[in-house]
Amino acid sequence: DAKTTQPNSMESNEEEPVHLPCNHSTISGTDYIHWYRQLPSQGPEYVIHGLTSNVNNRMASLAIAEDRKSSTLILHRATLRDAAVYYCILRDVFDDKIIFGKGTRLHILP
Amino acid sequence: NAGVTQTPKFQVLKTGQSMTLQCAQDMNHEYMSWYRQDPGMGLRLIHYSVGAGITDQGEVPNGYNVSRSTTEDFPLRLLSAAPSQTSVYFCASSYSGLPGGQGSTDTQYFGPGTRLTVL
Repeated sequence: DAKTTQPNSMESNEEEPVHLPCNHSTISGTDYIHWYRQLPSQGPEYVIHGLTSNVNNRMASLAIAEDRKSSTLILHRATLRDAAVYYCILRDVFDDKIIFGKGTRLHILP
Repeated sequence: NAGVTQTPKFQVLKTGQSMTLQCAQDMNHEYMSWYRQDPGMGLRLIHYSVGAGITDQGEVPNGYNVSRSTTEDFPLRLLSAAPSQTSVYFCASSYSGLPGGQGSTDTQYFGPGTRLTVL
């Protein structure tokens, strides 16, 4: 399984943009990049996913490097409710397993 | 839809006891999986299933059994609980888990978790 590397923790001020990086240098052509987040005392929830092109939805944006070896989750205007652990995951088209890493713990400062 | 439900929410066992963690989904999802999460750690995949009658091992399958007799249910069995199995357990499901590309974009939906303590 291709692996991802994320910083253990990050801090950001409320109402400012947040850029959460993820390295996946061994990504294969059949891997989709997924992001999930886990709020305190809850199960993970889906945030966004992409393959090659940048993606936007109501929660966030996903910027994917041209060589696909890294990606960045962008929260445009962080709120206190965005404090969570964010997981970057590679999901292979031909593999059913979904493997999580340790994620990045995002702290939002009021 | 209730989504993914898990019972019980909390459970305390003694070493050597057995129990079954229940997981059910009402979204007609083919793919279901179990994860455990230990303090300060991410989620680790225990077992998963791509459809009724089909199960496979994840990263940390030892000490756990699963079966998938229906699309809706995916119970996780601990045959002889050990303190090392103290953890929070999450069940998840998504639309498709079949190889060939259909599942790679599917969103996984997670249950609220079961907090298990083994004394």
